[in-house]
Amino acid sequence: GQNIDQPTEMTATEGAIVQINCTYQTSGFNGLFWYQQHAGEAPTFLSYNVLDGLEEKGRFSSFLSRSKGYSYLLLKELQMKDSASYLCAVLDSNYQLIWGAGTKLIIKP
Amino acid sequence: GAVVSQHPSWVICKSGTSVKIECRSLDFQATTMFWYRQFPKQSLMLMATSNEGSKATYEQGVEKDKFLINHASLTLSTLTVTSAHPEDSSFYICSAKRQGIDGYTFGSGTRLTVV
Repeated sequence: GQNIDQPTEMTATEGAIVQINCTYQTSGFNGLFWYQQHAGEAPTFLSYNVLDGLEEKGRFSSFLSRSKGYSYLLLKELQMKDSASYLCAVLDSNYQLIWGAGTKLIIKP
Repeated sequence: GAVVSQHPSWVICKSGTSVKIECRSLDFQATTMFWYRQFPKQSLMLMATSNEGSKATYEQGVEKDKFLINHASLTLSTLTVTSAHPEDSSFYICSAKRQGIDGYTFGSGTRLTVV
């Protein structure tokens, strides 16, 4: 079966750095997405990786290793508004999005 | 950028009634739209894939007669929850696919409460 694993919850301090990991086992791979979802709102796009390596976008970076079935989202200089759930999703061989359960990130002052 | 408008944002209805949720792509044409349901503290669950001009493809376990999907134009898909029951209470989100790999744009979601 297809499976996406990410931690359920993480806590970090304002101004610090946090890394949210995602491992996946899917039938085929056409890219991995990270989305941010605030409570009661729809997800918003953060990043897309299809090749191995690190993609940096301001305070957020996303890394992919296809051979290991592994990705992480790195958030730097954490702000209180970064408190949200972060969803990892993989586009499989049929171009269907397979979603992880999300990681709830709690930022403390 | 691409915008998907979804409404209503929230709705409360009586058990046994039907509720229609609309999803519109405002500045692009979406041949494919997706309908998701999300229960508290859980991930998005794909309910169905809606293709313009053809029947929707439902995921296993989703009742097609209960969740009616219509995608009559390239910019509008609707989900109708028929004979709603309290267990249908959930957060329903649509997503439209446009050109480009980051092209999965989500609507703002609809919080449905059936009483």
